[in-house]
Amino acid sequence: KAGVTQTPRYLIKTRGQQVTLSCSPISGHRSVSWYQQTPGQGLQFLFEYFSETQRNKGNFPGRFSGRQFSNSRSEMNVSTLELGDSALYLCASSFPGQSYGYTFGSGTRLTVV
Amino acid sequence: GENVEQHPSTLSVQEGDSAVIKCTYSDSASNYFPWYKQELGKRPQLIIDIRSNVGEKKDQRIAVTLNKTAKHFSLHITETQPEDSAVYFCAASNTQGGSEKLVFGKGTKLTVNP
Repeated sequence: KAGVTQTPRYLIKTRGQQVTLSCSPISGHRSVSWYQQTPGQGLQFLFEYFSETQRNKGNFPGRFSGRQFSNSRSEMNVSTLELGDSALYLCASSFPGQSYGYTFGSGTRLTVV
Repeated sequence: GENVEQHPSTLSVQEGDSAVIKCTYSDSASNYFPWYKQELGKRPQLIIDIRSNVGEKKDQRIAVTLNKTAKHFSLHITETQPEDSAVYFCAASNTQGGSEKLVFGKGTKLTVNP
């Protein structure tokens, strides 16, 4: 079956702009989580969605937001981009109750200039 | 909230040797502990996991041990091979209530020298 698909793979944006990243989970997976990966901070939790509801949120400013659609696809949005937002954004999906293991997508590499 | 410490940050071994990576966690309610391997330029991939009702789990050359009392868990790789070279991340989660949120350690860069 198809894995977790993230689009786009690469993005270059200017400070102050906003960006929307997309994640399509594995078919049947209803839980989607987002992580920010940087060399200095490692993998940091952004949010978790299940059945279109945000179930958990990490310690990121309000400029970071997300949502999940009825087909379990998820988007995250970052407004008023800052240089420090440059990172690899990873999405992961899972099927709660059957297996706790995440399957990660390949990520979106965001560069803010 | 949960905090996960991972050591060492880098580890270099000779092919055929064993490698051990250790993690400690702070939240005694954490009950799920996965390990991920991330090769350069690729996505993290789950290699093994353990739940709090189990003390040890093994899968071929890799094993994970959990000490709930001390709140630490370790990854053991035996007979290392060059293809084991990657960054390894431990993580902890409290899955009660259905949350899937993982708190990750900072990672260990393992280099296996031929």
